[in-house]
Amino acid sequence: GAVVSQHPSRVICKSGTSVKIECRSLDFQATTMFWYRQFPKQSLMLMATSNEGSKATYEQGVEKDKFLINHASLTLSTLTVTSAHPEDSSFYICSATGVEGGDTEAFFGQGTRLTVV
Amino acid sequence: GQNIDQPTEMTATEGAIVQINCTYQTSGFNGLFWYQQHAGEAPTFLSYNVLDGLEEKGRFSSFLSRSKGYSYLLLKELQMKDSASYLCAAMDSNYQLIWGAGTKLIIKP
Repeated sequence: GAVVSQHPSRVICKSGTSVKIECRSLDFQATTMFWYRQFPKQSLMLMATSNEGSKATYEQGVEKDKFLINHASLTLSTLTVTSAHPEDSSFYICSATGVEGGDTEAFFGQGTRLTVV
Repeated sequence: GQNIDQPTEMTATEGAIVQINCTYQTSGFNGLFWYQQHAGEAPTFLSYNVLDGLEEKGRFSSFLSRSKGYSYLLLKELQMKDSASYLCAAMDSNYQLIWGAGTKLIIKP
């Protein structure tokens, strides 16, 4: 099946710094990628939807200037958490849609555990 | 290693009941999630179980047995709009989500 690789899996950073998370579709072209945030024992929260070559669509309440999303190619999307604060500590996960067996499906990355100290 | 198993595809009849099973093996355990996903759309959260037993939410119920590494999603009074993929995901001790490949549910009239 299709594979989505997310990197890094864990990162610790200092308050005020920026962190970049990469999401790559390894064997298919992903026209759409989704970025989620998840707090412990809670559901995934959709942050934004990004389409290759265009600006991301952010969900209500998600700060565009803080969570920068770039989807420059059909295989790579990045999420940059700028000027990170401890409250940004969370689990971030991406998914990418592609065609598998003739059907459009979403494939998920492994997730990134961000800790801001 | 860590692994999630769920059937690739299931077919059921409108108005009937269907049970989608999921078995998991993880390093530690911090809960089991079920998501519904329609083609081309983002997944939507259905349920979260961390304790053994059955959680009921309207037409959908989710069951967990930690000792058996087993969960199921039960859908009652099936409607055509329930045709979708159903994703099982287990969270390990590091709070990493281990995802199943998803079960494509086809509802027939």
